[in-house]
Amino acid sequence: AQSVTQLDSHVSVSEGTPVLLRCNYSSSYSPSLFWYVQHPNKGLQLLLKYTSAATLVKGINGFEAEFKKSETSFHLTKPSAHMSDAAEYFCVVSEGGYQKVTFGTGTKLQVIP
Amino acid sequence: ETGVTQTPRHLVMGMTNKKSLKCEQHLGHNAMYWYKQSAKKPLELMFVYNFKEQTENNSVPSRFSPECPNSSHLFLHLHTLQPEDSALYLCASSQDSGAGDVYGYTFGSGTRLTVV
Repeated sequence: AQSVTQLDSHVSVSEGTPVLLRCNYSSSYSPSLFWYVQHPNKGLQLLLKYTSAATLVKGINGFEAEFKKSETSFHLTKPSAHMSDAAEYFCVVSEGGYQKVTFGTGTKLQVIP
Repeated sequence: ETGVTQTPRHLVMGMTNKKSLKCEQHLGHNAMYWYKQSAKKPLELMFVYNFKEQTENNSVPSRFSPECPNSSHLFLHLHTLQPEDSALYLCASSQDSGAGDVYGYTFGSGTRLTVV
């Protein structure tokens, strides 16, 4: 069975500094991996997805994630944080089919002016 | 707006009330989902409808009753809820039930439910 671990429940960065949100996964297969973002009082929005193509995935709003099979990681990064990036971020792993989609517990990103 | 609209945005109900949550999408998707989001817990899949047919009931108590009259509309009927049912209920859609884990899901903004 697959699982996903978001290593930090809260991350705080200053505006203009890099963002790193960490995600490790466990899967018996070659999984698909996703990052979603949830702004306050909003639903989840797809940021980016990895589905066995290029290991470096670019998403919306300047975010990137790199699939590292040897480290079973899929960390989310952004070179320079913006105030509007303050939100909760969810890492998701899927082995195929909606029954095998697992959401992480989320990382709340705080951006300090 | 994402294309998935949920109403109401907030709902407070007593344990003996009956209420319904509504979800609507005009994205041409054929699969719709109900998820429960509770604090400090991962999203929990509740129900899945694919081409109007229920394909998943993830051991959800019978006090939650879904309805999918067509591919664009999804309801969650609530009755005799418990305080622990208080949560954010999210509706999502995908092209079909096999596409969401490949292309991603489109989520609504949710209904914040409080049971008193």
